[in-house]
Amino acid sequence: NAGVTQTPKFRILKIGQSMTLQCTQDMNHNYMYWYRQDPGMGLKLIYYSVGAGITDKGEVPNGYNVSRSTTEDFPLRLELAAPSQTSVYFCASTRTALGQPQHFGDGTRLSIL
Amino acid sequence: DAKTTQPNSMESNEEEPVHLPCNHSTISGTDYIHWYRQLPSQGPEYVIHGLTSNVNNRMASLAIAEDRKSSTLILHRATLRDAAVYYCILMDRNYGGSQGNLIFGKGTKLSVKP
Repeated sequence: NAGVTQTPKFRILKIGQSMTLQCTQDMNHNYMYWYRQDPGMGLKLIYYSVGAGITDKGEVPNGYNVSRSTTEDFPLRLELAAPSQTSVYFCASTRTALGQPQHFGDGTRLSIL
Repeated sequence: DAKTTQPNSMESNEEEPVHLPCNHSTISGTDYIHWYRQLPSQGPEYVIHGLTSNVNNRMASLAIAEDRKSSTLILHRATLRDAAVYYCILMDRNYGGSQGNLIFGKGTKLSVKP
């Protein structure tokens, strides 16, 4: 059982470049989330989705976009990479929002130089 | 901002019990108390959660105060693999409308000595 899979694991971008962080889950979960974690800090919510075709902003959405065309996939897009987006990005999923555990991927470590 | 307060760090000896405290004095009646842990270079991992009653699972026990303003995560016999950052989180179901996201603080860094 793969759970939540994130690709790539590591990436270095130049300022102004764009890229897509991939996230897929095989648990048929409705809710999916993107978080970022800066060094020594907790995770902050970027975007979330409650089902295919439905997405909404979290606490720190600026500079990012998402889409949810299928239940399994929830890609995160950086259009114009900036040094402030250097972080570790985690994708998570859960079946419902009401007290159920979230399952996390292993993260994508992104550096913007 | 996180609605929980945890010590920045704690130390334990291997094979001894560990009690990780968490204060959440502003908890609402329908907030779940969740615990996650994050091992180095990994994503957070669910440990346990509860609402009012104490809870046990294969990983840990959760003791919830009667007034629900504090809770304690109990690892019955710490191993070296339990060295991680432990997050106590209230499930914020009212943020932007039932989105169910987790609000992380800085957590408690647990060190386990052999």
